[in-house]
Amino acid sequence: SQELEQSPQSLIVQEGKNLTINCTSSKTLYGLYWYKQKYGEGLIFLMMLQKGGEEKSHEKITAKLDEKKQQSSLHITASQPSHAGIYLCGADEGSARQLTFGSGTQLTVLP
Amino acid sequence: NAGVTQTPKFQVLKTGQSMTLQCAQDMNHEYMSWYRQDPGMGLRLIHYSVGAGITDQGEVPNGYNVSRSTTEDFPLRLLSAAPSQTSVYFCASSQLLGNTIYFGEGSWLTVV
Repeated sequence: SQELEQSPQSLIVQEGKNLTINCTSSKTLYGLYWYKQKYGEGLIFLMMLQKGGEEKSHEKITAKLDEKKQQSSLHITASQPSHAGIYLCGADEGSARQLTFGSGTQLTVLP
Repeated sequence: NAGVTQTPKFQVLKTGQSMTLQCAQDMNHEYMSWYRQDPGMGLRLIHYSVGAGITDQGEVPNGYNVSRSTTEDFPLRLLSAAPSQTSVYFCASSQLLGNTIYFGEGSWLTVV
């Protein structure tokens, strides 16, 4: 199975600042999922990327998958306290949508 | 829309006790999975199912059993709970041809 490394492990930013979270795989990514998790809650689906060079945006969050399909980045523009939480990347292992997850990035946005 | 429903939300067990975590989805999804989340380790796959009557092991299956008698339900059984099974458990479901994987809100289990 794949190994996913997320960086940074934690991030503290001032409200209004931009930030980027990276997810690097040991193997080619055939489906890369981004989720957000708040403490005590489930995982909220953000985006899913499949094609090399693909980029998707939702509100102020943009996710990209590099051409080699081994690294994805999540970029938040003009961060807000509502963006705070744990961001998780997950790689689709194939046959039944089983995901291998990174260890997560804890984001704190200071007002 | 109920989505993926997990029960119970919180449970405390004594070592050696057995229990079942329930997971139900109302979206007619073929795929269902169970994960556990431990601090600093992300989510790890326990068991998964591609349809009623079919289950398979994930990365960390020891100590857990599953069954899939209906499309809607995918219960996770702990036969003899151990402190190492203290964790947060998540159930997930998705369509055969869809790209979105839906997660339940989690079940917090403490084994003392």
